[in-house]
Amino acid sequence: QKEVEQNSGPLSVPEGAIASLNCTYSDRVSQSFFWYRQYSGKSPELIMSIYSNGDKEDGRFTAQLNKASQYVSLLIRDSQPSDSATYLCAVRSNYKLTFGKGTLLTVNP
Amino acid sequence: DVKVTQSSRYLVKRTGEKVFLECVQDMDHENMFWYRQDPGLGLRLIYFSYDVKMKEKGDIPEGYSVSREKKERFSLILESASTNQTSMYLCASSLGAAGGNTEAFFGQGTRLTVV
Repeated sequence: QKEVEQNSGPLSVPEGAIASLNCTYSDRVSQSFFWYRQYSGKSPELIMSIYSNGDKEDGRFTAQLNKASQYVSLLIRDSQPSDSATYLCAVRSNYKLTFGKGTLLTVNP
Repeated sequence: DVKVTQSSRYLVKRTGEKVFLECVQDMDHENMFWYRQDPGLGLRLIYFSYDVKMKEKGDIPEGYSVSREKKERFSLILESASTNQTSMYLCASSLGAAGGNTEAFFGQGTRLTVV
């Protein structure tokens, strides 16, 4: 039973474009939602967290949450080659933190 | 800064050995997690703990056990290592009780090879 699903990718966008990453989750009582970035050979690091329905913006990153649809997304504006990485969606339900499989993003110069 | 430290970066063990992976965090976090990461399978939760001596099974606990005798330390134990446990193991910790809106911080990972 997979609890967190991400668009499988890989996703390739040109430099300067908008990259859109999507995630759905199955547990309706999930409370907190996170996007992590993982460079090859490195550990995941947090990009964004979101807890309420709507949009949350931080620089070039916007997270969107729709609890009714059990859907969370991440938009990266003005994508840069340095954004090339695997993006992991994570969902917290009580104490448990579950990750999706990740989406590999490549930004082409 | 939060620091999560895993005892080894690389480890090679023989089939049937009992293996201990250690994780220590220095920020007084209540929650600690053990994941394994495999190509195409993502991060899968093995066990987690929300308090000292408390532990909960994750999605793939078979073949593993954990110990949390002190708040800062969370150990993953492979009772009898097998080749299918060859993987990258990641430890993480976070603040907060149930539903806490806090991020998880990761250690540097342990690449375990079972031969």
